[in-house]
Amino acid sequence: VDLLESGGGLVQPGGSLRLSCAASGFTFSSSAMSWVRQAPGKGLEWVSGISERGGSTYYADSVKGRFTISRDNSKSTLYLQLDSLRAEDTAVYFCAKMYNWNEFDFWGQGTLVTVSS
Amino acid sequence: EIVMTQSPATLSVSLGERATLSCRASQSVSTNLAWYQQRPGQAPRLVIYGASTRATGIPARFSGSASGTEFTLTISGLQSEDFAVYYCQQYSNWPLTFGQGTKVEV
Repeated sequence: VDLLESGGGLVQPGGSLRLSCAASGFTFSSSAMSWVRQAPGKGLEWVSGISERGGSTYYADSVKGRFTISRDNSKSTLYLQLDSLRAEDTAVYFCAKMYNWNEFDFWGQGTLVTVSS
Repeated sequence: EIVMTQSPATLSVSLGERATLSCRASQSVSTNLAWYQQRPGQAPRLVIYGASTRATGIPARFSGSASGTEFTLTISGLQSEDFAVYYCQQYSNWPLTFGQGTKVEV
């Protein structure tokens, strides 16, 4: 199993970014997926989750209405659209595979998003 | 939202000793509880799921237990590679929530 995130970078407050997570080594279309973030020096915070076919999505209150999770099963890729970014969104964003909508059994190495003027 | 509270924040132990980490849920999560290990600069790694089942490749010195809303991760015979931060996480209800972490240090 391999999960490779990309798309992070420096963005100004109010700006947007789109993160991607390229998956391989497992049947992507059969796995729910999530994004989890970690602010510098802080703990883990679940951000958003999506069902196998994308029909169900869930968000943390802290990002609801600003972030959008999606997936393209034909490309084995997970996405997270980040809009109206705030300084407190600065974090490493991890892509994580979920086992039967339960625990996170595999994680990517993360991509850093920095929101600063 | 279910709040997960871990204790202690930092646990100082010696090589070969036993480490006992605690996690409390603010309401019942049944056994929908996982533990993760995170070494510096690395992604988290699944250690325990279902409160007491070791993940693939996890050594037998790691064990998990549950009693109501109290969960324990025990590491018997600490080895150098076990020094890390450990997080508990509930997957019983949305939003999924993590504890704040316990750092196991020498």
